Amino acid sequence: NAGVTQTPKFRVLKTGQSMTLLCAQDMNHEYMYWYRQDPGMGLRLIHYSVGEGTTAKGEVPDGYNVSRLKKQNFLLGLESAAPSQTSVYFCASSYSHSQAFFGQGTRLTVV
Amino acid sequence: AQTVTQSQPEMSVQEAETVTLSCTYDTSESDYYLFWYKQPPSRQMILVIRQEAYKQQNATENRFSVNFQKAAKSFSLKISDSQLGDAAMYFCAYRSRQGGSEKLVFGKGTKLTVNP
Repeated sequence: NAGVTQTPKFRVLKTGQSMTLLCAQDMNHEYMYWYRQDPGMGLRLIHYSVGEGTTAKGEVPDGYNVSRLKKQNFLLGLESAAPSQTSVYFCASSYSHSQAFFGQGTRLTVV
Repeated sequence: AQTVTQSQPEMSVQEAETVTLSCTYDTSESDYYLFWYKQPPSRQMILVIRQEAYKQQNATENRFSVNFQKAAKSFSLKISDSQLGDAAMYFCAYRSRQGGSEKLVFGKGTKLTVNP
């Protein structure tokens, strides 16, 4: 049972490049979340999904897009990366009314 | 919008002593969940304890307990008999129980140092 898996673990991008972070969960969870973690800022919610085919904005959605075409996958896209998007990104999933399970995080550096 | 505030960026405790981490939150909802997560240097997020707002009894998990004061919107974490392995970032989190909008919102965290 893999739980929540994030791909890749590390990535360096040049300003203006695009990339997609993949989150996969094998627990049949309805809810999935993308967060970014920056020093002194805690975890800030970027986007989340309450089910297959649905997405919603969180606290800091600008510059990011998401898709949830399959229940087990939640993709986070950066269309034109900026240095301000240098961060550690976490994906999480959960059932309704339950704790969230987290992936190992992706360290992204934009130069 | 719900917000979570952790007013202590850093705390320290002597091994075997007790420490309390503070958390307050703001919400207009009456039914919700509260969590404490631990993040050691490995970066993995680990659930420490959870509390349902409708339960008056404070949650306890071994050496970890909470003081949940619903009227004051306060949710502190007490760690008893602190161990070196407790050193980590601790995050307080709020989750709405409103179906269809169950955002999970975190505070900025408290870095706990355990001194031998």
